[in-house]
Amino acid sequence: DQQVKQNSPSLSVQEGRISILNCDYTNSMFDYFLWYKKYPAEGPTFLISISSIKDKNEDGRFTVFLNKSAKHLSLHIVPSQPGDSAVYFCAAKFNNAGNMLTFGGGTRLMVKP
Amino acid sequence: DTGVSQNPRHKITKRGQNVTFRCDPISEHNRLYWYRQTLGQGPEFLTYFQNEAQLEKSRLLSDRFSAERPKGSFSTLEIQRTEQGDSAMYLCASSPQGDLQPYEQYFGPGTRLTVT
Repeated sequence: DQQVKQNSPSLSVQEGRISILNCDYTNSMFDYFLWYKKYPAEGPTFLISISSIKDKNEDGRFTVFLNKSAKHLSLHIVPSQPGDSAVYFCAAKFNNAGNMLTFGGGTRLMVKP
Repeated sequence: DTGVSQNPRHKITKRGQNVTFRCDPISEHNRLYWYRQTLGQGPEFLTYFQNEAQLEKSRLLSDRFSAERPKGSFSTLEIQRTEQGDSAMYLCASSPQGDLQPYEQYFGPGTRLTVT
C-alpha cells in the first residue's frame, strides 16, 4: 500500500506562472515532510521541508503547505522557470530513530518558455 | 567534490550472476541509506547504517541482498543470483547523525542495474 501518493504524474506550466504540486499521505505517524527535485542522471536533491507542527514553510520561490486534517501537502513554485523542469518527489518521515523516508511516485514538471 | 559518490554508474549483468555496488558517503556523515527506484516510482527504502551497524532492513531486502559498511565509511550492496526483477536504480544517501531538522538526506547519482 502506498502511504505517500502523488496523483499527478506530470504537470505543464508556462514560465512565470505558478506551479502547484500535490501530495497525499495516509499515515498519521509521519511527523516531517520533504520535497526533493530530480534531474535525469542525477540523484534526488533536497528542496524544502516542513514539520508536522507547522502549516507553511517558505524559501525563496518555493513554499510548502501542509494540511494535517486532510493529510495533504503541496509545493508552490512562483514564478516558475524553465530550469525548474524536473521530477519532484514528496517524502515523509516517521518519528523513529532511523529517519527513513517514504517517497511518493513523483510528478514530472515541465516549465515552457 | 564532497558529495555522495556511487560506483559503478551502470551495470549490465546476466540473470544468476552476482553484482556488488559501492557507495562513498559524505565523509562526516554517520548515517548511510540504500534505496531502490524502479521506473515511474519513487525511491523505496532498503536498509540503513549508523556508522558500521546495520540498524534497519526493509522487507524488500530479500536473502539475496546483503549490505555492509565496514569501519563506518563506504558501503557495499551485493545482490546474489540476480533476477530480472532486480533491474532498478540503486540509490545511496547519507546524513549526519542526530535528530535535527531538516532531516535532509544527501543522495548519490545512483547505480543503474540491468539484468538480462
